[in-house]
Amino acid sequence: DGGITQSPKYLFRKEGQNVTLSCEQNLNHDAMYWYRQDPGQGLRLIYYSQIVNDFQKGDIAEGYSVSREKKESFPLTVTSAQKNPTAFYLCASRETGRTNEKLFFGSGTQLSVL
Amino acid sequence: RKEVEQDPGPFNVPEGATVAFNCTYSNSASQSFFWYRQDCRKEPKLLMSVYSSGNEDGRFTAQLNRASQYISLLIRDSKLSDSATYLCVVDNTGGFKTIFGAGTRLFVKA
Repeated sequence: DGGITQSPKYLFRKEGQNVTLSCEQNLNHDAMYWYRQDPGQGLRLIYYSQIVNDFQKGDIAEGYSVSREKKESFPLTVTSAQKNPTAFYLCASRETGRTNEKLFFGSGTQLSVL
Repeated sequence: RKEVEQDPGPFNVPEGATVAFNCTYSNSASQSFFWYRQDCRKEPKLLMSVYSSGNEDGRFTAQLNRASQYISLLIRDSKLSDSATYLCVVDNTGGFKTIFGAGTRLFVKA
């Protein structure tokens, strides 16, 4: 079945540590996105990528980094510079990024600080 | 002012009730509009797109008023399984600026 796979489902970070969240899709979609969701809030865009080897900052990119070396993969690194990383992280993809296209989501990663 | 605003609720309704959610958006150039459903700590799932002429899918009806920059979702004959958070979503130019509302929480009681 085609879809988006995020891993791990739960992740714990120690102070000063970088952690990487995995996102893989086999939908052959060009556009991929990372969102952060805090309790009682909507999704906020961290980074997005329209094609391989290209990505753009979203609204809250500080303290995060991404790469897009392969079409299927869009990993997100939460760096030690992100002082409040505890949140639910969602990866999504879209066929080409045109308006009115459905967003497909992974099942999310809950990141917590130890 | 937030780009997309929703009444956070929660809405507590009995089974069989009709409930309506409202959403306003600030960018008059917004092009596409959606309602997504999100269960607790799960990924959002597309409920329906919203078209200018209004559209219906079973018990769900969506309306768009571009002049007032307002979107609505009506749920008729509520079921227990409708309990979830409903997210209003607006796409701006190019589809890369997808803005999510904070969501409206719905509890349907037996």
